[in-house]
Amino acid sequence: GENVEQHPSTLSVQEGDSAVIKCTYSDSASNYFPWYKQELGKGPQLIIDIRSNVGEKKDQRIAVTLNKTAKHFSLHITETQPEDSAVYFCAASIGRGATNKLIFGTGTLLAVQP
Amino acid sequence: DAMVIQNPRYQVTQFGKPVTLSCSQTLNHNVMYWYQQKSSQAPKLLFHYYDKDFNNEADTPDNFQSRRPNTSFCFLDIRSPGLGDAAMYLCATSMDSSYEQYFGPGTRLTVT
Repeated sequence: GENVEQHPSTLSVQEGDSAVIKCTYSDSASNYFPWYKQELGKGPQLIIDIRSNVGEKKDQRIAVTLNKTAKHFSLHITETQPEDSAVYFCAASIGRGATNKLIFGTGTLLAVQP
Repeated sequence: DAMVIQNPRYQVTQFGKPVTLSCSQTLNHNVMYWYQQKSSQAPKLLFHYYDKDFNNEADTPDNFQSRRPNTSFCFLDIRSPGLGDAAMYLCATSMDSSYEQYFGPGTRLTVT
């Protein structure tokens, strides 16, 4: 079945450094790729997303890149801050219309050391 | 602010005692999802409603049921909770013209 692989599972960086999280997906028909940030005890929060007709998207300190040929997409966080510490999930869309849903990666625990 | 609301935030139930979790939304989205998330794992889709149409995932146990009485509300019923059903339950919504899903804060279910 369809799956999304996410690496690394844990990532520790110093405040101010950059962090990169990578995902690969299996369904070539996937065309929507969101990233969620989940803080302890809270629901996932959509932080950025990209569609298959775009190769890169940026929003302040976060950016996402997509390589459809290789079925890879990545999250880049620059100038990391302690409040960026959380679990990050990537996801890829499958299906259309009523059957549309997201397949999630296994998550990356990001720790930003002050 | 438009949002997804889940009540209660924490729920304790006894083994085998039916429990209902609720979700409401002010986004006027036509699709509502229920996910189960266990510790250190990704959210796992249980089922979703596309308008009034119920879509069950193939591996969702029969013990889990859902109701959507109107656009704004959706309920998750666990008929006979087992210890393995202890988890965070997340509700999410989206519009059919867009893939973006917006999550509520979740309900942490404990089974004693």
